[in-house]
Amino acid sequence: DQQVKQNSPSLSVQEGRISILNCDYTNSMFDYFLWYKKYPAEGPTFLISISSIKDKNEDGRFTVFLNKSAKHLSLHIVPSQPGDSAVYFCAASDSGNTPLVFGKGTRLSVIA
Amino acid sequence: EAGVAQSPRYKIIEKRQSVAFWCNPISGHATLYWYQQILGQGPKLLIQFQNNGVVDDSQLPKDRFSAERLKGVDSTLKIQPAKLEDSAVYLCASSLARGNLPLHFGNGTRLTVT
Repeated sequence: DQQVKQNSPSLSVQEGRISILNCDYTNSMFDYFLWYKKYPAEGPTFLISISSIKDKNEDGRFTVFLNKSAKHLSLHIVPSQPGDSAVYFCAASDSGNTPLVFGKGTRLSVIA
Repeated sequence: EAGVAQSPRYKIIEKRQSVAFWCNPISGHATLYWYQQILGQGPKLLIQFQNNGVVDDSQLPKDRFSAERLKGVDSTLKIQPAKLEDSAVYLCASSLARGNLPLHFGNGTRLTVT
C-alpha cells in the first residue's frame, strides 16, 4: 500500500522550459513534505520542503505547491537546466513522528 | 561539515553469504536511519536509531538483518544469510534529532547478490 505516489516514472523537458513533477499521498496525517534529488551513484540530496500550513514554498528556480484537499503536491522547476537531470523523490512525514515515506521517484531529463 | 560516510561503496556476494555495511553520520546527529532502495523503487526504512537505542525496526527482516549503533555514533547493518532479493542500495541517513527534518543521506552501498 503506497502512501506516497509518483505516477510518472519519467519526464523529458527542453532546456529553459518548465518542469512539473507531481506527487500524491493517501495518509491524511502527513503534514510535512520534502523533495529530494538523486544523481546516479550518489545519495538523495534535500531540495525543498513545505509544511501543511502553507500552500507554496519557493527557493530560486524551485517551487513546491501543496493542495491539501486533493492530497497532491507538485515541484516546479523553471527554467529547467541540463544539470537538473536526475531522479526526484517526493517524501512525506507526520510532524517527524514517523520516518520519511518516499515515492518511487520520477526521472527528469532536461534536453539541451 | 563532513557528510554521512558509508562503506563499502559496492559489494558483490553469493546468496547465503553474509555482508556488513558501515555508516558514520554527521557529527552531532543523534538520529540514524538505514534505508533500502531496490531498483525502480523509493527508499524504504529498515531501522531508525535515536542515539544507541532502536526507535523503529518494524520493517527490518529480523530473521536475516541486524543492525547496531553501540556507542551512539557509527552504525553497522548486517545481512546473514543474503538472498537474491536483497540486491539493492543501502542508504544511511542522519538527522540532528528524532523528528528533525530533512534527513541527510550518504552515497549508499550497492549490494549485488548472485
